[in-house]
Amino acid sequence: TQLLEQSPQFLSIQEGENLTVYCNSSSVFSSLQWYRQEPGEGPVLLVTVVTGGEVKKLKRLTFQFGDARKDSSLHITAAQPGDTGLYLCATRDDKIIFGKGTRLHILP
Amino acid sequence: DAGVIQSPRHEVTEMGQEVTLRCKPISGHNSLFWYRQTMMRGLELLIYFNNNVPIDDSGMPEDRFSAKMPNASFSTLKIQPSEPRDSAVYFCASSLKGSGRGTDTQYFGPGTRLTVL
Repeated sequence: TQLLEQSPQFLSIQEGENLTVYCNSSSVFSSLQWYRQEPGEGPVLLVTVVTGGEVKKLKRLTFQFGDARKDSSLHITAAQPGDTGLYLCATRDDKIIFGKGTRLHILP
Repeated sequence: DAGVIQSPRHEVTEMGQEVTLRCKPISGHNSLFWYRQTMMRGLELLIYFNNNVPIDDSGMPEDRFSAKMPNASFSTLKIQPSEPRDSAVYFCASSLKGSGRGTDTQYFGPGTRLTVL
């Protein structure tokens, strides 16, 4: 069974700091997606990565797909309170699987 | 576009009662998904439809759960009888392409928070 392990589970940092969260698996994926979910809402897709080693940037967010396509990271530069939320990684190969997420809280 | 619409937003019921959750996908989308989210288990796919046909229902917990999609603009998820362990947030999502796999974007509704007492 494919599993996506996300770390850390919780992260609370001050506004302006940098952070990285991770999504790891023992399986190889053809693609990986990152979502952000705010309280009381459904997840919203941020990015899809499909090529090993691929790096995508979305303003202050940088997403990387591992060379072996088994892992991915999300780096946030100069975090802001608006970045607060639950960050989920997901794959849609044979099965649609979501990680349990990293709950991020940015303190003003 | 109004996005994916779910109703009700909150449901509180007693154990043993029937619960029906409703979803209206984005117009023109071919795939519809039902998910359940809990703190313990995270976000889990229950079932997905492609062109109104159920494709993968392996995530449906047991026979108490059933889902239907009578037309392209409406789907229901029914729990009968409901149990306290069914308490969770249930999300509906839709996507444009005709497959549940791949890289197309899923658009999630706001969810229904179900509490079974």
